[in-house]
Order: sequence, then C-alpha cells, then structure tokens
Amino acid sequence: EAQVTQNPRYLITVTGKKLTVTCSQNMNHEYMSWYRQDPGLGLRQIYYSMNVEVTDKGDVPEGYKVSRKEKRNFPLILESPSPNQTSLYFCASSLKPIGYEQYFGPGTRLTVT
Amino acid sequence: GESVGLHLPTLSVQEGDNSIINCAYSNSASDYFIWYKQESGKGPQFIIDIRSNMDKRQGQRVTVLLNKTVKHLSLQIAATQPGDSAVYFCAGTIYNQGGKLIFGQGTELSVKP
Repeated sequence: EAQVTQNPRYLITVTGKKLTVTCSQNMNHEYMSWYRQDPGLGLRQIYYSMNVEVTDKGDVPEGYKVSRKEKRNFPLILESPSPNQTSLYFCASSLKPIGYEQYFGPGTRLTVT
Repeated sequence: GESVGLHLPTLSVQEGDNSIINCAYSNSASDYFIWYKQESGKGPQFIIDIRSNMDKRQGQRVTVLLNKTVKHLSLQIAATQPGDSAVYFCAGTIYNQGGKLIFGQGTELSVKP
C-alpha cells in the first residue's frame, strides 16, 4: 500500500531533550516536506526536500533540522525542543513539488513541557 | 510577506446543496494552487489543483475557479454530502521557487442532514 508513515504518532517530552520524528514513504517520491499545524494558523511549512541531499527552508524553519540521506526517509530533528514547538506535525511526499498529488502522513502530536 | 487566506472560518450547508469555499492570495507570482480536505484526526488529502494558465478545472463533484485579476480562487462542491464535512485548505506556490507551499488557515464545512 502506498503510504507515508510517521513515528512516533504521539510524543510528550521536556524542554531541551533532543528528539527525532521519522518520516518514510514507499512511493519513490522525490519531493518531501514537513509541516506543523496549529489552531488558527493552519499548516505552515517547516522544511522541504526536492531530492536526496537537497533540502530547503520553508516558512518556519527555526528550531528544526532535517536530513535527506535516502530518498524514502526525511526525519525531522528538534535539537533543543521548546514549549512553542508543541504542535501537530505532518510529513508529506509527492513525485514532484508541482503538478502531482501530495500524500500526507497521519501526523505526530508533540507536546513539549 | 506572502499569504494565502480563506474568507470564512466556518461554512454550514444543507445536504444536497452546493458549497462554495473561497480563498485569496497576495502574491501575483503564485502560479499553482491546490485544495486539500482534512477530516478530523487525519492528515490533509489532495482534492484538486490548478495552474495559473487555467481559470477553471473540474473533478468529480468539485470545481476550482481561479481569478488571477483579483487573486482569488474558489472550490465548489456540488450536491454536498455528509462525508464532505471537513476542514478545507487552499495552498499556493510559485513555480520557480519549487517546493515552498503557503497554506490558508482553513474553512470548516459542516453539512446538515
């Protein structure tokens, strides 16, 4: 089944404790992206990747890192999480960024205390 | 900065009626737009897209209209059904900026039986 998977689905952590949210797709997509979703603010793009070893900042990249060493994986890294990073995170992928359907993962709900 | 916004945060329609969800964008360079549907507890799901060289595109029960003069697009859902109840987002991008997507805040559509 074609899908985007994220792990973990739920995470509660403390300020400053490094964490990684994994994202994997099995569709051989070139484009992958991370978003955060907050009430009243909609979806905001954090980082995106056009292909392996190619990443770029979205609208809200501060406090996040990403890597794209393999085509299928695009982990989101929070080196020192803070409470303002409490949010619902979505990973997405598509064959290309333009003109192709973007598939979203199920979401990761992160709480930073 | 760039923005993509939806006109109404909520919309309530009677089952069987047509629904119209509106979206405005600020950057005249935006040339590719997408509508997404997000059901409660799930990730966004692609509905339909449109490029700036078109002013109308139709899918199954959905139509997207693009008015570049006033920087406005709309999603029309014909014969709205209870399963259409969800939050709808528009998103826009600039082709030569590749994968950077700007999302609107979303309109919650409620369908009354």
